[in-house]
Amino acid sequence: DTGVSQDPRHKITKRGQNVTFRCDPISEHNRLYWYRQTLGQGPEFLTYFQNEAQLEKSRLLSDRFSAERPKGSFSTLEIQRTEQGDSAMYLCASSLISGSSYNEQFFGPGTRLTVL
Amino acid sequence: AQKVTQAQTEISVVEKEDVTLDCVYETRDTTYYLFWYKQPPSGELVFLIRRNSFDEQNEISGRYSWNFQKSTSSFNFTITASQVVDSAVYFCALSEAGYSGAGSYQLTFGKGTKLSVIP
Repeated sequence: DTGVSQDPRHKITKRGQNVTFRCDPISEHNRLYWYRQTLGQGPEFLTYFQNEAQLEKSRLLSDRFSAERPKGSFSTLEIQRTEQGDSAMYLCASSLISGSSYNEQFFGPGTRLTVL
Repeated sequence: AQKVTQAQTEISVVEKEDVTLDCVYETRDTTYYLFWYKQPPSGELVFLIRRNSFDEQNEISGRYSWNFQKSTSSFNFTITASQVVDSAVYFCALSEAGYSGAGSYQLTFGKGTKLSVIP
């Protein structure tokens, strides 16, 4: 399977715990995005990477959230001291940006987080 | 600021009926991209189409067609002869065009339209 993969698919945690999600993009893609989707809403942008550099963070990304893409391949999203409001689907997407050429973002299956 | 409005929250149709999903967008950019994604019950967003703002040609792909009208800032999606497998949430999205690879190209999504096709 050469699509975007995410792990775990589901995570249930207690309020105050830390959680970490992983995303493996399509191998040749240099851009990696994180989005958050709550029930009944469209996905909302959180942050993105060009190779290993994190270039933009949304104001939705509070200080409790941190994302990394250490070698420009897979990425991790960590949430510290989780709150019930963090319950959502966390989506990862990747794309290839080359010069002025644009390619679509392809999404992974998401990680559904439930904070009790 | 960019905004995408999908006024139809839920639509139900009987199989083989045609259905149109509406999308209206707002942007200050003169060049941009518009998209439709499908999210079946499994949850994974599936890319359907991308249009550039300077290309207003309508597009048809099998039972799917898209009508882009810059004058009304709309990018509507029609499914002809709907099937049960079309049941899903459909999202319209917008991104900046950027320049020479600069810019985030982050997607701004609407709230989605849940389509139920009844056999």
